[in-house]
Amino acid sequence: KQEVTQIPAALSVPEGENLVLNCSFTDSAIYNLQWFRQDPGKGLTSLLLIQSSQREQTSGRLNASLDKSSGRSTLYIAASQPGDSATYLCAVKEWRALTFGSGTRLQVQP
Amino acid sequence: DTEVTQTPKHLVMGMTNKKSLKCEQHMGHRAMYWYKQKAKKPPELMFVYSYEKLSINESVPSRFSPECPNSSLLNLHLHALQPEDSALYLCASSHPLSNSDTQYFGPGTRLTVL
Repeated sequence: KQEVTQIPAALSVPEGENLVLNCSFTDSAIYNLQWFRQDPGKGLTSLLLIQSSQREQTSGRLNASLDKSSGRSTLYIAASQPGDSATYLCAVKEWRALTFGSGTRLQVQP
Repeated sequence: DTEVTQTPKHLVMGMTNKKSLKCEQHMGHRAMYWYKQKAKKPPELMFVYSYEKLSINESVPSRFSPECPNSSLLNLHLHALQPEDSALYLCASSHPLSNSDTQYFGPGTRLTVL
């Protein structure tokens, strides 16, 4: 059974820092990996999707990488802002549906 | 339009009540999903519909009854729920012919069972 782990569980940084969130998964037979953002009590917003054949994707200040063979992905956030404060979830797509990690709760201090 | 809508936003019900959650999308997606999310936990898959047919049921108790009346709508009928069923219920959709497609999530329904 697929297991997805995210490290760290929580992170607090001052505004302007660059940061890296980590995601690992146990079964490399995935179709894609998605990074989501979730604000408290809200739904999920898709940030980036990396296909299994890709190595990275970029959107604005966000860059996500994927190393399928080692079962790892990272989300890099450049020049963090207080508005980036949220929980970040990674999820891997297998034939059934998405399996989520437990998330990283990010707090960016002004 | 990349929006998935869910109603109601909040729902409080007693253990003997019958209620329904609704989800709607107009992106032409033919796969729709129900997830359950407890506080400070990741979403967990409950059901998957593909072309209006139930394709996955993750051993969910029968007090949860899904329904997909057409390609744009997904319902979750609730009956005789327990307090531990209180959670955020998320609906999502995607294109089933492409395993590479993004899943789009709705804002969720916050359910409280008294």
